[in-house]
Amino acid sequence: DQQVKQNSPSLSVQEGRISILNCDYTNSMFDYFLWYKKYPAEGPTFLISISSIKDKNEDGRFTVFLNKSAKHLSLHIVPSQPGDSAVYFCAAGMQGAQKLVFGQGTRLTINP
Amino acid sequence: KAGVTQTPRYLIKTRGQQVTLSCSPISGHRSVSWYQQTPGQGLQFLFEYFSETQRNKGNFPGRFSGRQFSNSRSEMNVSTLELGDSALYLCASNSLKAGGHSYNEQFFGPGTRLTVL
Repeated sequence: DQQVKQNSPSLSVQEGRISILNCDYTNSMFDYFLWYKKYPAEGPTFLISISSIKDKNEDGRFTVFLNKSAKHLSLHIVPSQPGDSAVYFCAAGMQGAQKLVFGQGTRLTINP
Repeated sequence: KAGVTQTPRYLIKTRGQQVTLSCSPISGHRSVSWYQQTPGQGLQFLFEYFSETQRNKGNFPGRFSGRQFSNSRSEMNVSTLELGDSALYLCASNSLKAGGHSYNEQFFGPGTRLTVL
């Protein structure tokens, strides 16, 4: 039962353009969401998070949008840079439990 | 602050053997979680420890176990290894305090790559 889904295994974007990574979830009990970036042979690195009481959180070039009614969140990266090329995981959690449920990941490639 | 460290980074074992992986969290962090990453299943939660107590557990067989020491360092053990246990095992820590909310992000170590032959 895949509670968190990233339906696009890969995404290719031109440098300077906007990258939009999508994530859907099924469990309405999730109340916070995170995005992680992962390079090969390294552990995931935290990027940005959002609580279910918000619909948007912004940090520099990264913005996460949450649509609770659609059980959908997205990560926008503007402008995209070559160093953003990595695998991006969306994760969801519930207050009181340190268990994160991860999506399968989306490989983002930024083309110069 | 030093990050989360995991040892060893790479390990090769044969079926039927057992293995112990170690994780040292960020100084001051008391919550340690373990995840398994495989190409087919993605990142899956194994268990979480806080103050030497297992608080959360994922859907893994009893061959997977762990513990946490008084200095917050954690170990996970896999007994009777199977080929399907080949994976990247990731440890994460966060600064969650007792009674605090859990919105703190988890900081991951580099992982231990386990290969079972």
